[in-house]
Amino acid sequence: EVQLLESGGGLVQPGGSLRLSCAASGFTFSNYAMSWVRQAPGKGLEWVSAISGSGDSTYYADSVKGRFTISRDNSKNTLYLQMNSLRAEDTAIYYCAKDRGGWLVGYFDLWGRGTLVTVSS
Amino acid sequence: DIQMTQSPSSLSASVGDRVTITCRASQGISNYLAWYQQKPGKVPELLIYTASALQSGVPSRFSGIGSGTDFTLTISSLQPEDVATYYCQNYNSVPLTFGGGTKVEIK
Repeated sequence: EVQLLESGGGLVQPGGSLRLSCAASGFTFSNYAMSWVRQAPGKGLEWVSAISGSGDSTYYADSVKGRFTISRDNSKNTLYLQMNSLRAEDTAIYYCAKDRGGWLVGYFDLWGRGTLVTVSS
Repeated sequence: DIQMTQSPSSLSASVGDRVTITCRASQGISNYLAWYQQKPGKVPELLIYTASALQSGVPSRFSGIGSGTDFTLTISSLQPEDVATYYCQNYNSVPLTFGGGTKVEIK
């Protein structure tokens, strides 16, 4: 079955760190770029970061640049998001999403179920 | 950054009605426009890409049109299972940006 499964969310204090993972199955993971997209409670969708299929190219939204790092391990079919210096406004469900191509085409034909990150003291 | 503006933000229509949602980009994005459907409590799903191409498995009552700055998603005959929030998304350039969403309800 083609699927994405996120993990690693939870409650963290402002200024803290968290590492999200997304395990992919059912498709050739290294052939596709991947993104993280977040959704604050009751709000719309916000693209966060993307990485090419090879992992050579990465992209970030200005709101997370310098604080978040996207990476992937194609031998483990897993996508990561290292989140540092977390702020209350980072509170959201974080979805991993599969791109249509190996480079960043930019739209997403498969989404995970999401993992909730709550930043609060 | 390219801003995506959707209208209306919400609508209520009867089963069988034709429903139209518009999306405007703050600058031209050619046809690099996708539409997603997010049902209540569920994950977003791709409906349309390159402004008008229907994703595999999506019912033919959904259609999209547009190029440049103005785009439209149409549901030709609204069904109860279409209750959802619909988002447009620009993928012409990074940062990728989404519209604010249009919530569709049944009257």
